Amino acid sequence: EIVLTQSPATLSLSPGERATLSCRASQSVDFYLAWYQQKPGQAPRLLIYDASKRATGIPARFSGSGSGTDFTLTISSLEPEDFAVYYCQQRSNWPPITFGQGTRLEIK
Amino acid sequence: QVQLVESGGGVVQPGRSLRLSCAPSGFTFNDYAMHWVRQAPGKGLEWVAIISYDGSDKYYADSVKGRFTISRDNSENTLYLQMNSLRAEDTAVYYCARDGPTKQQLVLIVDYWGQGTLVTVSS
Repeated sequence: EIVLTQSPATLSLSPGERATLSCRASQSVDFYLAWYQQKPGQAPRLLIYDASKRATGIPARFSGSGSGTDFTLTISSLEPEDFAVYYCQQRSNWPPITFGQGTRLEIK
Repeated sequence: QVQLVESGGGVVQPGRSLRLSCAPSGFTFNDYAMHWVRQAPGKGLEWVAIISYDGSDKYYADSVKGRFTISRDNSENTLYLQMNSLRAEDTAVYYCARDGPTKQQLVLIVDYWGQGTLVTVSS
């Protein structure tokens, strides 16, 4: 089973700042990595798939990069609605599909 | 737009069974594989199972294999999760979710999620 480790666990930033979230895989997942956003009391929402492709309706301030074992989700300029928990997920080696433990992005 | 509505959650004693249902709308159900994903209170996401668009292929997480069964009725537009021999560690919000964005394949990207239904296993 591929283990995904996200860092940092919590990121404290202010609106307008740039956010950089990391996801590291225990073995290569090629580019088969997705990112999800989850707000309190809500279901997750797909942001990025295949490392860098934005899902339908996702603003351009969200971008993904990386391949192999190291991936990054970048939010170029934080909006108030971006403060949430973010999860990465791999689909390279399955079953099972696995998720990272999450990064909480909080307002500083 | 795509909507997924789960039902069937509740409080159940350890060792008992429960069946969850999911009613999709806004897309052609029988064109897409479907997932169940769960989230224990205050915890992260755990994938549970996937079923192919036609029901011919099913895969499970080791934690539920042999106890849970995913199924679908394309004529009734409904996805199911039959949960047997429930344990306290199965307590979670269970999300019904669509596999996408490509039709008639196992893509393993969860592109739409329902709001979830809470299952609590407790005596």
